[in-house]
Amino acid sequence: DQQVKQNSPSLSVQEGRISILNCDYTNSMFDYFLWYKKYPAEGPTFLISISSIKDKNEDGRFTVFLNKSAKHLSLHIVPSQPGDSAVYFCAARSAGGTSYGKLTFGQGTILTVHP
Amino acid sequence: ETGVTQSPTHLIKTRGQQVTLRCSSQSGHNTVSWYQQALGQGPQFIFQYYREEENGRGNFPPRFSGLQFPNYSSELNVNALELDDSALYLCASSPSGPGGETQYFGPGTRLLVL
Repeated sequence: DQQVKQNSPSLSVQEGRISILNCDYTNSMFDYFLWYKKYPAEGPTFLISISSIKDKNEDGRFTVFLNKSAKHLSLHIVPSQPGDSAVYFCAARSAGGTSYGKLTFGQGTILTVHP
Repeated sequence: ETGVTQSPTHLIKTRGQQVTLRCSSQSGHNTVSWYQQALGQGPQFIFQYYREEENGRGNFPPRFSGLQFPNYSSELNVNALELDDSALYLCASSPSGPGGETQYFGPGTRLLVL
């Protein structure tokens, strides 16, 4: 049962353009959503997050949008840079019960930004 | 400020053996979570430790066990290793207890079971 899905395994973008990474979830008990970036041979690096009570959060070139009714979130990177090339994971935090604090991850999207 | 560190970086074991992986949480972080990442997949939650007690567990058998020490560092122990246990094991710490909003990950330990 895949509660968090990233349906695009890969995305290729030209430098300077916008990168849009998408994520869908099924569990209404998630209360917090995060995006992580991962380079080979490194652990995931936290990028940006959003609470379920908000619909947008911005940090520099990164913006996360949350559509609760559609159970969908997206990460926008503007402008994209070659150094952004990495695997991007969407993660959702469980709000309570025995899974409180647990992060559920999507499968990841490989972003390649071409110079 | 030192981030999350893990040891060893990689190791090779044979089926049936036991392994212990170690994690030092980021300074001031009191909660540690462990994740298993198989090739081509996202990390899967194993369990979380807070105040030296297990605080939540994912869908992993009892041969996966852990400890948290008074200095908040942690160990993951896996008994009776199976081939499918080959994966990257990630440790993450957070500063505010189980409700902490952001978890910060270490570089991982890559385990190969032959």
